[in-house]
Amino acid sequence: QVQLVQSGAEVKKPGASVKVSCKASEYTFTGYFIQWVRQAPGQGLEWMGWINPNNGGTYYAQKFQGRVTMARDTSISTAYMELSRLRSDDTAAYYCATGGHYFDYWGQGTLVTVSS
Amino acid sequence: QAVVTQEPSLTVSPGGTVTLTCGSSTGAVTSGHYPYWFQQKPGQAPRTLIYDTNNKHSWTPARFSGSLLGGKAALTLSGAQPEDEAEYYCLVSHSGARVFGGGTKLTVL
Repeated sequence: QVQLVQSGAEVKKPGASVKVSCKASEYTFTGYFIQWVRQAPGQGLEWMGWINPNNGGTYYAQKFQGRVTMARDTSISTAYMELSRLRSDDTAAYYCATGGHYFDYWGQGTLVTVSS
Repeated sequence: QAVVTQEPSLTVSPGGTVTLTCGSSTGAVTSGHYPYWFQQKPGQAPRTLIYDTNNKHSWTPARFSGSLLGGKAALTLSGAQPEDEAEYYCLVSHSGARVFGGGTKLTVL
C-alpha cells in the first residue's frame, strides 16, 4: 500500500521559511507526481503545485510563484516543499498527495504555524 | 485564475439522494477539466472518491457517482448513510493548474 509520511509540526516567525518533507514508500517514487495542497484552519483546500520526481520538473500555482520551491531526493524517496517569507495567513496544514491519478494517496499533513 | 463554486451546505435524509455540483467561472465544466471529488472528515486528510469526472477508486462506496450535469461537475450520493456526513471538495484542471472548489458541508439528518 502506498504510504506518504510527512515531517512534524513547525512553528515559525513571520518572514522565515519552512521546509516540509514527504517520504514515500511501497511504490516506485519516480513513477508518480507529488502534489502539494494546504488547508488553513477551518478553511477549504488550496492546491499549491506539483513536482515530477522523475526529472524534478515543477509547476506552481500562480499565487505561490516566487515563494515556493518543490524539490525531491530520489535516493531517499522524499519530496520537499519549502515556503519562504512566511506570513500569518500561511498558517495551515500542508499535505502531499500522489498516485496514478495524482491524488490517490495522501500524507497525514504537517501543521505549520506562523506566529510572532 | 478560475473560481470554482460549490453549494456551501446541503442536507440529506438517511437513505435519501443528494447531488452536489461544481461550477467554474470560466464556463461549463467538461471532461477536459478532469474533475475530482474528495471527501474530508474532521481531523482527517482528504480522500479521493471520484477522478476524471466519473471514475471510482476501489475504496469508493458504490452509492457515490460522478457525472456532468448542466455545465457543472456533479457528485450524486444515492442512499445516504450517517458516515457520509463530511465536507466534499471538487477539483478541476485549468490549463495545467488545479483549482479546488470552496467545499460543501453535507449533513445527513
